[in-house]
Amino acid sequence: EVQLFDSGGGLVQPGGSLRLSCVASGFTFTSYAMSWVRQVPGERPEWVSTISGSGTSTDYADSVKGRFTISRDNSKNTVFLQMSSLRAEDTALYYCAKRGSGSHRHFDSWGQGTPVTVSS
Amino acid sequence: DIQMAQSPSSLSASVGDRVTITCRASQSLTIYLNWYQQKPGRPPKLLIYGISTLQSGTPSRFSGSGSGTDFTLTISSLQPEDSATYYCQETYSTTFTFGPGTKVDVK
Repeated sequence: EVQLFDSGGGLVQPGGSLRLSCVASGFTFTSYAMSWVRQVPGERPEWVSTISGSGTSTDYADSVKGRFTISRDNSKNTVFLQMSSLRAEDTALYYCAKRGSGSHRHFDSWGQGTPVTVSS
Repeated sequence: DIQMAQSPSSLSASVGDRVTITCRASQSLTIYLNWYQQKPGRPPKLLIYGISTLQSGTPSRFSGSGSGTDFTLTISSLQPEDSATYYCQETYSTTFTFGPGTKVDVK
């Protein structure tokens, strides 16, 4: 069974930093791209970032480019999201998500989410 | 960026009803259209990918169809546990945009 456990969220002041983690189990971690998706309660999900299975390729939403960095440690089945220069508009529930098999690029498994609040 | 629209924004239907949710994209998505179900306090759950392929575990009363820019999620016989918000998502572009959602209430 695929399991994703995301953590690291919390309350941070504007301009501050936070590092999210997602520990995965139940599948061959290196074979799948992993993503972070965020959602403000009552709104649609918003894709944030994706990293390839090998970790050599990354992509970011324009809203976080230059401020967030995605990485992974394949020896620990863990993906990270380093967030810096945080803004109030980054406040959301952050989910890690596993890319599905094949070419459709869908997200077939999600963590439970870790909340990030940016406020003074 | 690709814009995604859904209609209706909400609906209320009875157990056993046939329910249809529409998703429209601002440009052709070819096969890159997925559907998710989200219940309160839970992460989104993949229902259908590639327009019409049911994810493992998705009940057969759910089906997806469409092409180009217009897509449909159909629930053939609504059940109480289908009360949720449904999102379409494009994965044609690199921004993986979600639609605004359709909230389904089961009377």
